[in-house]
Amino acid sequence: DAKTTQPPSMDCAEGRAANLPCNHSTISGNEYVYWYRQIHSQGPQYIIHGLKNNETNEMASLIITEDRKSSTLILPHATLRDTAVYYCIVYTDKLIFGTGTRLQVFP
Amino acid sequence: SAVISQKPSRDICQRGTSLTIQCQVDSQVTMMFWYRQQPGQSLTLIATANQGSEATYESGFVIDKFPISRPNLTFSTLTVSNMSPEDSSIYLCSVADGVLGNQPQHFGDGTRLSIL
Repeated sequence: DAKTTQPPSMDCAEGRAANLPCNHSTISGNEYVYWYRQIHSQGPQYIIHGLKNNETNEMASLIITEDRKSSTLILPHATLRDTAVYYCIVYTDKLIFGTGTRLQVFP
Repeated sequence: SAVISQKPSRDICQRGTSLTIQCQVDSQVTMMFWYRQQPGQSLTLIATANQGSEATYESGFVIDKFPISRPNLTFSTLTVSNMSPEDSSIYLCSVADGVLGNQPQHFGDGTRLSIL
């Protein structure tokens, strides 16, 4: 399974954009990049996924580099409720979680 | 997305006993999975629950310890057998429908299990 590398923690001011990076240099051509988040005491929440193209939904945007070796999750206007652990996962036939990035949004 | 309900939501058990966790989905799904999250850790995949056949276990997990049933497309159970304090974790059910890879998995809120 392709491995992902994420910074262990990040801070973001409320109302600002949160940009969470992820490296996945060994990704294969048919593997999707998925993002989940886990707010304390809850199950992981699906955010977004993509293969090659940039994607946007009501929660976030996903920017994938042309060589697909890295991606960035963008929360356009972070709120305190976005404080969570964010997981970047390269999906083959299983969803394997790494250690993620702990995002702290502050007032 | 599918609504996933787990029972019980939490329990405190004595060592040496067994507990069965239920996962109910409000719609038929192709795939069901069980994960474990130990205190302060990330999620670890235990097994894929296959309808009508034996579950597929990940390395480090065995059927005798974590028997799984999946009698239909909306329901699965995970049993944690002969529990010890090291089994104190959150156990999560996850489901996916359609072609793997391009269909997100969704998670329940888990069962918090403490072993005394």
